[in-house]
Amino acid sequence: KNEVEQSPQNLTAQEGEFITINCSYSVGISALHWLQQHPGGGIVSLFMLSSGKKKHGRLIATINIQEKHSSLHITASHPRDSAVYICAVSGNSGGSNYKLTFGKGTLLTVNP
Amino acid sequence: DAMVIQNPRYQVTQFGKPVTLSCSQTLNHNVMYWYQQKSSQAPKLLFHYYDKDFNNEADTPDNFQSRRPNTSFCFLDIRSPGLGDAAMYLCATRSGYNNEQFFGPGTRLTVL
Repeated sequence: KNEVEQSPQNLTAQEGEFITINCSYSVGISALHWLQQHPGGGIVSLFMLSSGKKKHGRLIATINIQEKHSSLHITASHPRDSAVYICAVSGNSGGSNYKLTFGKGTLLTVNP
Repeated sequence: DAMVIQNPRYQVTQFGKPVTLSCSQTLNHNVMYWYQQKSSQAPKLLFHYYDKDFNNEADTPDNFQSRRPNTSFCFLDIRSPGLGDAAMYLCATRSGYNNEQFFGPGTRLTVL
């Protein structure tokens, strides 16, 4: 079982829809990261969370430490939001805080 | 703008011909990482530097080497590229004071 599980693996939406991508993890963490990767492109860091909620434009990320769960929301989705969204965690023990453990990613397609 | 820069963005090499990928950063971050990402897979950490201290992941092949001549630059050397080394190579940096990693745009390596 992967230490970081994302759902859904694939998501197709119509422009304007509200999107939610979920991430669950099974290890102790010091931080959780949401990353975005367009097809064939590099990775962009969207959020780093250790508690609560963060908002940037149309993107909102929340984390529940007790439940070991995080969600990424996209409001008023747009075709340019089409990308792979990756959840990753930094460990909290020994030297593991330097290393990211990645989920498998969620491929989001937003149709016009 | 402060950023992580990778050159070249696309690199084509021949089987067995050494190749060097470059990463530079203007963030003055202590930590620099090299990841390998194959199609539809999560990034795999190859190694990282904390300042001048080199840390190799246990399963990184000997074919992959790295150099960090100063804070700003880090190089990935592939001594004898095989067809299986074709991938996107991502450089990332992190300050020693928090866990957020900043990724470069990646270099896509093709091995003929």
